[in-house]
Amino acid sequence: AQSVTQLDSQVPVFEEAPVELRCNYSSSVSVYLFWYVQYPNQGLQLLLKYLSGSTLVESINGFEAEFNKSQTSFHLRKPSVHISDTAEYFCAVKNGGATNKLIFGTGTLLAVQP
Amino acid sequence: EPEVTQTPSHQVTQMGQEVILRCVPISNHLYFYWYRQILGQKVEFLVSFYNNEISEKSEIFDDQFSVERPDGSNFTLKIRSTKLEDSAMYFCASRKTGGDEKLFFGSGTQLSVL
Repeated sequence: AQSVTQLDSQVPVFEEAPVELRCNYSSSVSVYLFWYVQYPNQGLQLLLKYLSGSTLVESINGFEAEFNKSQTSFHLRKPSVHISDTAEYFCAVKNGGATNKLIFGTGTLLAVQP
Repeated sequence: EPEVTQTPSHQVTQMGQEVILRCVPISNHLYFYWYRQILGQKVEFLVSFYNNEISEKSEIFDDQFSVERPDGSNFTLKIRSTKLEDSAMYFCASRKTGGDEKLFFGSGTQLSVL
C-alpha cells in the first residue's frame, strides 16, 4: 500500500532563510509525486509534481523538489523564503496504475517570521 | 484561473442529522473527488466520480455517504446520519481529463457535528 510521511508538522523559519520540508513515500510501484500548498482560507493548490524524467522539478515561485528513488524521498526546498510563503504544505503520491486517487501526508505548516 | 467552489464554508449540525455539502467543479472538468481532513490528521480520499457514477471509494465512504451530480453543474456529498467523528474539513476536487494529473481543489467546508 502507498503512504506518505511528513515528519515535521511545523517548520518555523526566518524570512530570507533556506527551508526544507521533508517527505518520504512508500510504494511498490512507479509513482507520481506532488506537493500541494494551502494558503489560509483557500483550497489546496498544486505547487509542483514529478511524473517522470528529470528528478529535479521546480515551481514558478522558487520552490524545488528532488525525487530520490533510493531514499524514497521527495523533499521540498527553497533557498530564501518570504513571509508570503507561510502556508500548509502537503506531499502526495499517486501510483501509475488505474486508480486516480492521491494519498496525502499530514501536512507541514511553514511559518515564516520576519 | 478557474476555481472549484464549495458551499457552505462552515456547517454545524447535530449528531444524527443529514448534511449536504455542495461543490461546483470547474465547468469542463470530467473527474470529481471528495477528500476530507480530520483536524491534525492526513487529507484522506473519500470517493471519485466519473461519467455519472462512482469510480472508486475508500473504506470511509460507507452507506452513510452518497454523492450526486444532479444537474451537470453541482457535485454534492450527502451524509445521511452524521456522527461526531464525521467532523472534518471536506474538500471537493476536479480534474479535466484522465491524462491530466492536476487536481483543482475547493477551499473546503468545515463540518462540525455536535
